[in-house]
Amino acid sequence: DTGVSQNPRHKITKRGQNVTFRCDPISEHNRLYWYRQTLGQGPEFLTYFQNEAQLEKSRLLSDRFSAERPKGSFSTLEIQRTEQGDSAMYLCASSSGPWAQYFGPGTRLLVL
Amino acid sequence: AQTVTQSQPEMSVQEAETVTLSCTYDTSESDYYLFWYKQPPSRQMILVIRQEAYKQQNATENRFSVNFQKAAKSFSLKISDSQLGDAAMYFCAWPAGGTSYGKLTFGQGTILTVHP
Repeated sequence: DTGVSQNPRHKITKRGQNVTFRCDPISEHNRLYWYRQTLGQGPEFLTYFQNEAQLEKSRLLSDRFSAERPKGSFSTLEIQRTEQGDSAMYLCASSSGPWAQYFGPGTRLLVL
Repeated sequence: AQTVTQSQPEMSVQEAETVTLSCTYDTSESDYYLFWYKQPPSRQMILVIRQEAYKQQNATENRFSVNFQKAAKSFSLKISDSQLGDAAMYFCAWPAGGTSYGKLTFGQGTILTVHP
């Protein structure tokens, strides 16, 4: 049983550039979540997919953020026109129900 | 607002001793899950233990156990026989928004230091 994987693990970009992160959930999990975590804080919910449907988006997710989960498998999170305030760890989690979420190692984004 | 509160920013414990981390939450729901996650310096979030609110019996996973007080909306984590590898940030989490979605709301975290 492989866990949740995320790529890349680290990303450094210049302000104004677009970045895309990928998450591969545990294969039998139909639920996929994205969270953002800044240093010393708990993760904050960004968005949630059940299969390919994006069922909820946080108000934290500005118009510059978009997420997809084609075919209900892997998911991508894109940030357009990055800002320094976007620097954070982006965490992906998956589950087969509300009883547990399993997290990936995260993608650490630094916007210069 | 449905919130999760961890009132201890930092805790420390001697190796082999017991430590308890506190968490309180606020909800009007009757059926839900509660979770403790561990995040070591490598930063991968690991599920430590979960509690189902409708179960009166406190959950136990090896050296980790919870003290769940539903009426008081309290959910503390007890770590027995602490080991150096237990050093991490611990987060209490709760699926605000209902179990149908399961999106988690996390507390502020407690940094646990284990002294040899």
